[in-house]
Amino acid sequence: TQLLEQSPQFLSIQEGENLTVYCNSSSVFSSLQWYRQEPGEGPVLLVTVVTGGEVKKLKRLTFQFGDARKDSSLHITAAQPGDTGLYLCAGEEGSQGNLIFGKGTKLSVKP
Amino acid sequence: NAGVTQTPKFRVLKTGQSMTLLCAQDMNHEYMYWYRQDPGMGLRLIHYSVGEGTTAKGEVPDGYNVSRLKKQNFLLGLESAAPSQTSVYFCASSYSTGTTEAFFGQGTRLTVV
Repeated sequence: TQLLEQSPQFLSIQEGENLTVYCNSSSVFSSLQWYRQEPGEGPVLLVTVVTGGEVKKLKRLTFQFGDARKDSSLHITAAQPGDTGLYLCAGEEGSQGNLIFGKGTKLSVKP
Repeated sequence: NAGVTQTPKFRVLKTGQSMTLLCAQDMNHEYMYWYRQDPGMGLRLIHYSVGEGTTAKGEVPDGYNVSRLKKQNFLLGLESAAPSQTSVYFCASSYSTGTTEAFFGQGTRLTVV
């Protein structure tokens, strides 16, 4: 079974700070997805990275896929309280391509 | 647009009782999934379906059954609820697998006492 490990598990920062969260595996993934989940809601897709070394930007969020396609990172610039939530990475597993999820990074951005 | 709708949103069961969680999607997706989310454990796949009339086991299938009689609906059943099944359950659907986006419902919070 492929595993996705996310770090840190919890992160509490002040508005305006920068942060990076990580998603690592010993296995190669054909693609990785990042989701954000707000309390009481289901996860919502932020981005999918497919190519090793790929960098995608979504406003203040920068996503990177490792060259070996075993890891990914999410960098947030000038965090805002609206960025608060649980950030989950997910990768495709097995022949059916089911999504497996990391345990998530719970981010709290204080005003 | 409704997307993925789960019912009920909350439920309290006594140990040994049974119940069915309903998931409905209006996006004509082939693939549907049931996950459970527990503190510190992330989302774990219970069962999934790759099309109408087909189901398969995921990572944590014990104690659950599923049915996909219609393409738009995916039912999750608990025949004899146990306290270990206290969790938040999420249904998701996708057009395909791999790089395709999975759309999630709002979740069902189930407590078994």
